[in-house]
Amino acid sequence: SQTIHQWPATLVQPVGSPLSLECTVEGTSNPNLYWYRQAAGRGLQLLFYSVGIGQISSEVPQNLSASRPQDRQFILSSKKLLLSDSGFYLCAWRSHRDSRRDTQYFGPGTRLTVL
Amino acid sequence: AQKITQTQPGMFVQEKEAVTLDCTYDTSDQSYGLFWYKQPSSGEMIFLIYQGSYDEQNATEGRYSLNFQKARKSANLVISASQLGDSAMYFCAMREDFGNEKLTFGTGTRLTIIP
Repeated sequence: SQTIHQWPATLVQPVGSPLSLECTVEGTSNPNLYWYRQAAGRGLQLLFYSVGIGQISSEVPQNLSASRPQDRQFILSSKKLLLSDSGFYLCAWRSHRDSRRDTQYFGPGTRLTVL
Repeated sequence: AQKITQTQPGMFVQEKEAVTLDCTYDTSDQSYGLFWYKQPSSGEMIFLIYQGSYDEQNATEGRYSLNFQKARKSANLVISASQLGDSAMYFCAMREDFGNEKLTFGTGTRLTIIP
């Protein structure tokens, strides 16, 4: 069965510091991968998605970037964090088959607080 | 552009009663998928049920069913025989088909089950 991991689970960082959040998927190959952010009490906002190694699409221009160095690894980064980057970051995967019934499955999330 | 509306920010329901969570959507596409997710206090997004726009029957998954009214563009989630463990945030989401990777979420409904 497929599993998705995220770390760290929680993170407190000062403004201006760098960021690296990691997401890995097990039990599947060539998945579509996604990064979402959820502000407190809000819905999810898609930040980036990737359909293959080195292929990144950005949905919202911002202070963040994403990379996919390996098939089942997705990294969210920032060179200098802003207060507005605080939130709950969720990674998700979906089968590459592109069947309309394929849902996205989410990881446990990383709660980021920027002070 | 896709848009999901969940008009109930919070609901309180007696244990063992049925509950309906409202979701309306807006899209100009004819082919799309609708999803419901549950987010407990731990933060993980748990997939509950899927409805395709061309599905002739309403989707059901155990105690979850989807009341899909295509002409009204509504996709309400029905939970039968509610349990204390059903207390969580519930999100409705939509994905337009044919190469669209974006899953658009509503703002969610916080459901509280009262013993």
